[in-house]
Amino acid sequence: QSALTQPASVSGSPGQPITISCTGTISDLGTYNLVSWYQQHPGKAPRLVIYEDSKRPSGVSNHFSGSKSGNTASLTISGLQAEDEADYYCCSYAGSSTWVFGGGTKVTVL
Amino acid sequence: QVTLRESGPALVKPTQTLTLACTFSGFSLRTSGIFISWIRQPPGEALEWLALIDWGDHKYYNTSLKTRLTISKDTSKNQVVLTMTNMDPVDTATYYCARFNDNGDYFDYWGQGTLVTVSS
Repeated sequence: QSALTQPASVSGSPGQPITISCTGTISDLGTYNLVSWYQQHPGKAPRLVIYEDSKRPSGVSNHFSGSKSGNTASLTISGLQAEDEADYYCCSYAGSSTWVFGGGTKVTVL
Repeated sequence: QVTLRESGPALVKPTQTLTLACTFSGFSLRTSGIFISWIRQPPGEALEWLALIDWGDHKYYNTSLKTRLTISKDTSKNQVVLTMTNMDPVDTATYYCARFNDNGDYFDYWGQGTLVTVSS
């Protein structure tokens, strides 16, 4: 049950797109289409922004999108906004009724 | 309106047992398909999934922490309780409870979290 691998930080200017990667193994991302992504502002609880690899919950801005290829999932924020500055975590089912999170990515809006 | 709230001690001593409660509203653990999970986050670090319990009282644990964790539910009180034995300073973290939606495998509602510090 090793943590999924995410870049420690990603930055971009307002209006630019950024992509955060999340790399797992054949045992988790590579087998299940069950990746979710969470946004966490400082001092706050995480908030779901993507589930089932690419689905967006109601109320979440359409400038968040998700995808997956093989053992790597990606979260793209198109048109970066100041309020998007936060930490982002991926999460995947890891088999045997266990779940694993990524190490987190700090997004900075320049 | 779905809400979850964690409660428990803010400070525990090394080797002690931690007991946390998650009190929720807006749904029932008697309902098929309802799950509650515990997740923690050490200061400045990443989220870590700990345990999950479902409406049928099936329980699932983080493999690495399984021997120290017990999750249980009190349906009449709308509560889920997590106990963690033999606490160590490395267990210092914010502990969150969250509702898990198995129709897509995601944590859709979270409590605000409770910070637990392990120190003598």
